[in-house]
Amino acid sequence: DQQVKQNSPSLSVQEGRISILNCDYTNSMFDYFLWYKKYPAEGPTFLISISSIKDKNEDGRFTVFLNKSAKHLSLHIVPSQPGDSAVYFCAATDNYGQNFVFGPGTRLSVLP
Amino acid sequence: GAVVSQHPSRVICKSGTSVKIECRSLDFQATTMFWYRQFPKQSLMLMATSNEGSKATYEQGVEKDKFLINHASLTLSTLTVTSAHPEDSSFYICSASSGINTEAFFGQGTRLTVV
Repeated sequence: DQQVKQNSPSLSVQEGRISILNCDYTNSMFDYFLWYKKYPAEGPTFLISISSIKDKNEDGRFTVFLNKSAKHLSLHIVPSQPGDSAVYFCAATDNYGQNFVFGPGTRLSVLP
Repeated sequence: GAVVSQHPSRVICKSGTSVKIECRSLDFQATTMFWYRQFPKQSLMLMATSNEGSKATYEQGVEKDKFLINHASLTLSTLTVTSAHPEDSSFYICSASSGINTEAFFGQGTRLTVV
């Protein structure tokens, strides 16, 4: 049973537009969420995170929104750039760090 | 999707002993594997990258003699924590990539507790 889901395996967006990547989770014990970015032949790198006490966290062009009641979070990239083309992974962990789960990833292609 | 199996999921060991963690790609050839360490409430820290048949490349600050990584085959990489100490207690997770596309598949992680 997938505890963290990213239902869109791929997404294409025009340069300059907004990219929205979605993530859903099932475990109500999760209270800290992270997004990772992965380029080809490299390991995933940390991008941005959000605690369950917040509903929004912003870092430059990247904003993560959390809707706890819906168990849903999203990553917004505005404006999208060709260099943002990568695979994005959503991850979730619980208060005790006992459980750390990655989603399957979404491949983002930003078209020039 | 591809499956990466990490074993054991939990291990408790005594201080001074060594612990081996295995990461297996079950249905694809993992030319590259990544080992991460995660502390509660923090993002994953990349420890090292290993390519099959080559020595692992360690990130700055990671002791290569303490965290031995072996990637002897295209389906198996191991991380051995040598002479473990309580401060090594953490969550370790591996990630495998075929190196051909952008996919990275994660293992289930290993919770190591050193007592």
